Amino acid sequence: DVKVTQSSRYLVKRTGEKVFLECVQDMDHENMFWYRQDPGLGLRLIYFSYDVKMKEKGDIPEGYSVSREKKERFSLILESASTNQTSMYLCASSSIVRGYEQYFGPGTRLTVT
Amino acid sequence: GIQVEQSPPDLILQEGANSTLRCNFSDSVNNLQWFHQNPWGQLINLFYIPSGTKQNGRLSATTVATERYSLLYISSSQTTDSGVYFCVVGPYNQGGKLIFGQGTELSVKP
Repeated sequence: DVKVTQSSRYLVKRTGEKVFLECVQDMDHENMFWYRQDPGLGLRLIYFSYDVKMKEKGDIPEGYSVSREKKERFSLILESASTNQTSMYLCASSSIVRGYEQYFGPGTRLTVT
Repeated sequence: GIQVEQSPPDLILQEGANSTLRCNFSDSVNNLQWFHQNPWGQLINLFYIPSGTKQNGRLSATTVATERYSLLYISSSQTTDSGVYFCVVGPYNQGGKLIFGQGTELSVKP
């Protein structure tokens, strides 16, 4: 079974803090994704990565950066957290070998106060 | 870009009832998945079904790619089926990026 794990289920941070959200997958998938989900807005793609050290902006990259130093790990970084980044963050992975079937982690509920 | 429309947006069922959720999409796709988002927010893979029919217990799904729609059938619904059901499609030449429908929120009453 594909497993995608995220470093925290719940996280509370203060405005201005640097925040790291970590995602790890164990199926050698080349593609990894970060989304945020907000009520009424659905899931929106923040960043994705096709390979190690490769990244591409999604629909809402402002205020975020990412890092992919190893194939299995994709990190989302909030350089200076703001209250409007309070959200549910979901990581996912997929592979062309499996027809791009996407698998999601359990999510991280981030609250910025 | 591709549009994904799900219907109905909300559905309330009595436990034991059957239901059909529909997903229409506006262009050819190379990936179609159905997810269930549980009350804790996790997205659970139900079906990977770019075409054809699949069944898994009380759930089944059919995608008619030539007519650009997919159906998710839930039979003998249970309270644990409550949550949001998402239809998600993957356009060609998009490197695995997905387009999400807005979801159907299902509530199953005991």
